[in-house]
Amino acid sequence: DGGITQSPKYLFRKEGQNVTLSCEQNLNHDAMYWYRQDPGQGLRLIYYSQIVNDFQKGDIAEGYSVSREKKESFPLTVTSAQKNPTAFYLCASSVGLGGNQPQHFGDGTRLSIL
Amino acid sequence: DQQVKQNSPSLSVQEGRISILNCDYTNSMFDYFLWYKKYPAEGPTFLISISSIKDKNEDGRFTVFLNKSAKHLSLHIVPSQPGDSAVYFCAAIGGGSNYKLTFGKGTLLTVNP
Repeated sequence: DGGITQSPKYLFRKEGQNVTLSCEQNLNHDAMYWYRQDPGQGLRLIYYSQIVNDFQKGDIAEGYSVSREKKESFPLTVTSAQKNPTAFYLCASSVGLGGNQPQHFGDGTRLSIL
Repeated sequence: DQQVKQNSPSLSVQEGRISILNCDYTNSMFDYFLWYKKYPAEGPTFLISISSIKDKNEDGRFTVFLNKSAKHLSLHIVPSQPGDSAVYFCAAIGGGSNYKLTFGKGTLLTVNP
């Protein structure tokens, strides 16, 4: 079945460590996104990528990095510079940009600090 | 500055009745509005969307109404089923950005058998 796979589902990080969250899609979508959700809050955009080898910062990119070397993959690295990394991270993809191309989400990765 | 607001944190309805979830927005340049449904520990699932040039869109039990003059939209679920119990997010896109969904904080819908 086509979809978006995020792994792992739960991730623990020690202080000062970088961790990488995986996102893979087999929907043949060009655009991919990373959002962060905090308790009682809506989703906030971290990074997005319109096509391979291109990505742009969202509203809260500080302390995060991404790469888009393949169409189907858009990994997110949470660096030690991110001061409050504990959150639920969601990856999404869409055919293209724009409101007439709904974004579809994976099941998320919950990151916690040890 | 919260551009998309869902003022009701929760809503409880009886099975078979209508559920009405509300959303207000401030940015008149938004050109699409979307509703997502989210179960605990899962990602949001796209439900239905509406273009700003429309005032109604229907898909099965789900209907979204848009009132541009009031900057208000609503999602109607008829009839409500226990499986509809979830958090519902209103989102908007446009207004100079064709990539970023701006989300409300969500409304927890509980449908009682």
